[in-house]
Amino acid sequence: AQTVTQSQPEMSVQEAETVTLSCTYDTSESDYYLFWYKQPPSRQMILVIRQEAYKQQNATENRFSVNFQKAAKSFSLKISDSQLGDAAMYFCAYRSAPGGTSYGKLTFGQGTILTVHP
Amino acid sequence: NAGVTQTPKFRVLKTGQSMTLLCAQDMNHEYMYWYRQDPGMGLRLIHYSVGEGTTAKGEVPDGYNVSRLKKQNFLLGLESAAPSQTSVYFCASRRGTSVLNEQFFGPGTRLTVL
Repeated sequence: AQTVTQSQPEMSVQEAETVTLSCTYDTSESDYYLFWYKQPPSRQMILVIRQEAYKQQNATENRFSVNFQKAAKSFSLKISDSQLGDAAMYFCAYRSAPGGTSYGKLTFGQGTILTVHP
Repeated sequence: NAGVTQTPKFRVLKTGQSMTLLCAQDMNHEYMYWYRQDPGMGLRLIHYSVGEGTTAKGEVPDGYNVSRLKKQNFLLGLESAAPSQTSVYFCASRRGTSVLNEQFFGPGTRLTVL
């Protein structure tokens, strides 16, 4: 079974600065997908960014980028030019590649609460 | 499109009572999931369904039952609620197995069992 670990229960950043959230995972699979979800106080789960394991290039979505280190099984999220609206709980998640019995199930980390100071 | 909706949004139960949480999606998605979210543990999969009339156990299925009689609805039942089932419950749906198919989440149901 796969496991996802977020070792930072809480992080804080000043507005306009950069912050990096850490995530490590354990798997014996070679093909899989990794995600970062944002959960603001409204509780709505919002997909921030996605990385396919077979792609060496790190994914980028505007101010959000990842550092994907497949050999180290590490998947960190970097938020640049932090904004007050970035304050939320962030979850790292793992999904097996299609096929087999995975059926798109997500395995989540414990979450990191991000506070943004004005 | 309303996306994924959950009913109710909040509920308080006494130990031993039963209830059903309803998840509905209007995107014609094949796959549906029920997760629970607890502090310090992230979201954990309870049950899931890969199509109308099918259900399967996830990571933490004990104490829950599910049904998917219609493609658009996925029901989560608690037959005899326990305080350990106090949690926030999320439903999600997904179109199919394509790698690009995103999982869409409902707004969650906060359940308290006294």
